[in-house]
Amino acid sequence: EVQLVESGGSLVQPGGSLKLSCVASGYTFSNYWMDWVRQTPGKSLEWIGEINTDGSKTNYAPSIKDRFTISRDNAKSTLYLQMSNVKSDDTAIYYCTRIGYNSGYVGDYWGQGVMVTVSS
Amino acid sequence: DIVMTQSPSSLAVSAGETVTINCKSSQSLLSSGNQKNYLAWYQQKPGQSPKLLIYLASTRESGVPDRFIGSGSGTDFTLTISSVQAEDLADYYCQQHYSYPLTFGSGTKLEIK
Repeated sequence: EVQLVESGGSLVQPGGSLKLSCVASGYTFSNYWMDWVRQTPGKSLEWIGEINTDGSKTNYAPSIKDRFTISRDNAKSTLYLQMSNVKSDDTAIYYCTRIGYNSGYVGDYWGQGVMVTVSS
Repeated sequence: DIVMTQSPSSLAVSAGETVTINCKSSQSLLSSGNQKNYLAWYQQKPGQSPKLLIYLASTRESGVPDRFIGSGSGTDFTLTISSVQAEDLADYYCQQHYSYPLTFGSGTKLEIK
């Protein structure tokens, strides 16, 4: 069974940093691209970015580019999201998603999400 | 960026009725190379993470009941839920994966009367 489990969410002050993790199990992690998506308290979904299978290529949404960094450790089956210079607008639930190449290259599995609150 | 506009924002129906949710993109999602539309639909039940229902506009993900039907091409897409059941209570989102940045619609809340 495919499972994605995020961790690392917390309350962080504006301008601060935070690193989220997503541990994958139930499939060969290194064979799949991975994405991060967030959902704001107002409920809308926002794509943050993605990383390819070996971590050599990333794509980011303009809204977070140069502040967030996506990386992965295939030996640990873990995806990361390094967040820096966070703003109140970054308050959201953060999901990691597996990009399924048999499902049109969209998120076929999602984690349960982790809450990040940016506030002083 | 491609803007995804969903309608309606919410609707309430009785069990057994048919529901139609619309999604319009600001640019065509049809690839001229392979004639595929890069549009997905997700279902998010209360307290849960989103679940993939439909990809490439009309292909149901494995395990998704056949009462969920995706259709449309270019810039206009529809998710039809026939014979709605109580368990279909959820928010529904469309997403384009044609070009970066990937973008989602604002969602449609489905309530069961």
